[in-house]
Amino acid sequence: GENVEQHPSTLSVQEGDSAVIKCTYSDSASNYFPWYKQELGKRPQLIIDIRSNVGEKKDQRIAVTLNKTAKHFSLHITETQPEDSAVYFCAAKEGGGADGLTFGKGTHLIIQP
Amino acid sequence: GAGVSQTPSNKVTEKGKYVELRCDPISGHTALYWYRQSLGQGPEFLIYFQGTGAADDSGLPNDRFFAVRPEGSVSTLKIQRTERGDSAVYLCASSLGGDTQYFGPGTRLTVL
Repeated sequence: GENVEQHPSTLSVQEGDSAVIKCTYSDSASNYFPWYKQELGKRPQLIIDIRSNVGEKKDQRIAVTLNKTAKHFSLHITETQPEDSAVYFCAAKEGGGADGLTFGKGTHLIIQP
Repeated sequence: GAGVSQTPSNKVTEKGKYVELRCDPISGHTALYWYRQSLGQGPEFLIYFQGTGAADDSGLPNDRFFAVRPEGSVSTLKIQRTERGDSAVYLCASSLGGDTQYFGPGTRLTVL
């Protein structure tokens, strides 16, 4: 089955700086890669996703890049703000159908004022 | 519109007891998923339904866990003879049958 590794487990950055979180996956059949943000005690919220037919996707301060050959994808947050502090999870699955997601272990992002 | 809802939000039970956790998906969503999230971990897939049938139950840890979705909408996750290791947040998600999954707030289960 699929295995998703996520790094780092904790990331502390100064407000206004950029943050990068990286994930690798094992199953070459995976072609859908979402990122979720989870605040303490809250539900995971989808913030951006990418499918394997594109290499990069951007939404305001958030971008995701995908390298299918190397089987890794990354989340980039620019101009970080205090409200970006949360745990971020990457996930993977075979796209196009209703299958379960395989999640990474999460990255605790801390924005220092 | 209304998102995915789950009840109860918290459930405390004693070892050996039976519990039921409920999920109300987004109206019209045909696919429904159950995940389990332990402290400091990512959600772990348990089972998913396409309509009324369990399309993939490969994530259920053992036969104490069972889930139903009799009318293709609301789903119930049932855990028999609960153990302390079952303590976790149980998350439900739904989708239109494609990729994007929307999560509920979860039920925090504590087994004493």
